[in-house]
Amino acid sequence: DAKTTQPPSMDCAEGRAANLPCNHSTISGNEYVYWYRQIHSQGPQYIIHGLKNNETNEMASLIITEDRKSSTLILPHATLRDTAVYYCIVSPLSGSARQLTFGSGTQLTVLP
Amino acid sequence: DTGVSQDPRHKITKRGQNVTFRCDPISEHNRLYWYRQTLGQGPEFLTYFQNEAQLEKSRLLSDRFSAERPKGSFSTLEIQRTEQGDSAMYLCASSLLRTGGNEQFFGPGTRLTVL
Repeated sequence: DAKTTQPPSMDCAEGRAANLPCNHSTISGNEYVYWYRQIHSQGPQYIIHGLKNNETNEMASLIITEDRKSSTLILPHATLRDTAVYYCIVSPLSGSARQLTFGSGTQLTVLP
Repeated sequence: DTGVSQDPRHKITKRGQNVTFRCDPISEHNRLYWYRQTLGQGPEFLTYFQNEAQLEKSRLLSDRFSAERPKGSFSTLEIQRTEQGDSAMYLCASSLLRTGGNEQFFGPGTRLTVL
């Protein structure tokens, strides 16, 4: 699976947008970009995924560059409860059952 | 609450004892995964099932570890002769085989402490 690179930590003011970057320069054409987050002492939580188009759901937006070598997860109005470790993962298309390969992620701290 | 439950939530055992954890996935999900997470690290894959068949095992899954999913519903993970290095959070996840994505839904985990 392609490797991802994320900053180890970021801060964001409550109520502002949190923009979390991820580099995946070796991504191949059959790999999705997934984002999960893990709040302290809980299991990881699925946020969003995409292939090449930008995606939005009730939790976040995912912006994937045209060359697919990087992406940004956007939390539009961060709250204190969004403080968590955010993982960017690339994984092949569904149909080929694959485990998720987690890196170290980005610790996002939302400040009051 | 994702709909995936794990039991127990915490387990403290002495070195050399056997332990068994249970995972109940989301009912219509046909795939079930086990991961292990140590402090400060991301989760690491251990094994996965599609229905009742165990289709892949990680090199992390030593001979002391065994997992089952007897009727394609709940799953158990047993660790025999526990060692202090087995202390970790054991996470279960489930997903539904479909096109368009393989998003996995995780349970709260079982935290194992081996004394």
